[in-house]
Amino acid sequence: SYELTQPPSVSVSPGQTARITCSGDALPKQYAYWYQQKPGQAPVLVIYKDSERPSGIPERFSGSSSGTTVTLTISGVQAEDEADYYCQSADSSGTSYVFGTGTKVTVL
Amino acid sequence: QLQLQESGPGLVKPSETLSLTCTVSGGSISSSSYYWGWIRQPPGKGLEWIGSIYYSGSTYYNPSLKSRVTISVDTSKNQFSLKLSSVTAADTAVYYCARVSRTLAAAGPFPFDYWGQGTLVTVSS
Repeated sequence: SYELTQPPSVSVSPGQTARITCSGDALPKQYAYWYQQKPGQAPVLVIYKDSERPSGIPERFSGSSSGTTVTLTISGVQAEDEADYYCQSADSSGTSYVFGTGTKVTVL
Repeated sequence: QLQLQESGPGLVKPSETLSLTCTVSGGSISSSSYYWGWIRQPPGKGLEWIGSIYYSGSTYYNPSLKSRVTISVDTSKNQFSLKLSSVTAADTAVYYCARVSRTLAAAGPFPFDYWGQGTLVTVSS
């Protein structure tokens, strides 16, 4: 089955930049999305269509794509950004959705 | 403001069928702009897509769960439902319903832009 691979954890000091990668063979052909999930809460969409930001999401969240890897960047990390982050996309058919393995962002 | 609310038993016995319903308020489930989906998350683990449905009844399922999953829609009640048969302890999870937005991309895959709060379902005798 198709998989999206993320690093288990990323640690960053306040004000620094956090980068979270997501790798998958079908990513050159399929859009990727990013979600933030805080403990006990439902996920929140923070990036859509690889690099677009929904209304209400701070500008410090950005996304990019290169080949089989997409990246979520959090610039000027704040304590409130500490959360789990998941990428989401689909296999080559486009109809079988998949979530990445998830990355825990810790703000030191 | 769109709201989604999951409902159903919080405890299911092994080998039985898990049944959940998602009630949508503040918007129509019959809109051509959206699909509706189920996602689950075992305690302490990651997210897993279960399947999605269009208001017309077209369905898409996770291949790893397809043999046990049925998702249906009731447009008259603005609800969609999940049935997962032959459950085991491995099906213990928080189950989320969510809206799949076709408006945020010209073609799929599409994102989940609104989520319910989630409901914990435990499989145990």
